[in-house]
Amino acid sequence: QVHLVQSGGEVKKPGASVKVSCSTSGYNFVIYGINWVRQAPGQGLEWMGWISTYNGKTKLAPRFQDRLNLTTDTSAATAYMELRSLTSDDTALFYCARGVTAGDTHSFFDFWGQGTLVTVSS
Amino acid sequence: DIVMTQSPLSLPVTPGEPASISCRSSQSLLHTNGYKYLDWYLQKPGQSPQLVIYLGSNRASGVSDRFSGSGSATDFTLRISRVEAEDVGVYYCMQTRQTPPTFGQGTRVEIK
Repeated sequence: QVHLVQSGGEVKKPGASVKVSCSTSGYNFVIYGINWVRQAPGQGLEWMGWISTYNGKTKLAPRFQDRLNLTTDTSAATAYMELRSLTSDDTALFYCARGVTAGDTHSFFDFWGQGTLVTVSS
Repeated sequence: DIVMTQSPLSLPVTPGEPASISCRSSQSLLHTNGYKYLDWYLQKPGQSPQLVIYLGSNRASGVSDRFSGSGSATDFTLRISRVEAEDVGVYYCMQTRQTPPTFGQGTRVEIK
């Protein structure tokens, strides 16, 4: 069975950084990319970025381009999302999601992590 | 970015009755390869989103055949033939035709 298990909730002060992990199991890690999606309290879903677990290539949403870092540890089948220069607007649930490619184009997200709540407060 | 617009935003439904949600994209989601890059997700209360329909009309593994997806290049519909209590939650459409992937605002389905 495919599982994506994320690290626990974090409380951070404005200006700090947070690093969330997404540990995968049940499939060949390097076959599928990992996406990261943010959900502010009571709000909708926002795509942040994608990383190739095969070669580390990333695609980032423009609004996060300058402060988002996506990495992987292939030996641990784990993906990481680091967001810098946090503000209160970054308080949200962060999800990792496995991405499937269809026709050489990044497509749907078939398995999701349980979400990690990051609270930014002074 | 491609803008995704869902309607309605709230949908009270009666168990056993059909329901449908519309999703419109600001640009075509039809690729030259024939795929329509439009997916539907359901976020049940307190849970992570889960895939319901992918590439416009394909049911995800384990999804009831009460769910169906259809659409053209810019207009898509998710249909539930007979709503059950377990179907409540917020439904999102998402396009992956262009980067960045973008989601609709969400449609909250609740039982009357």
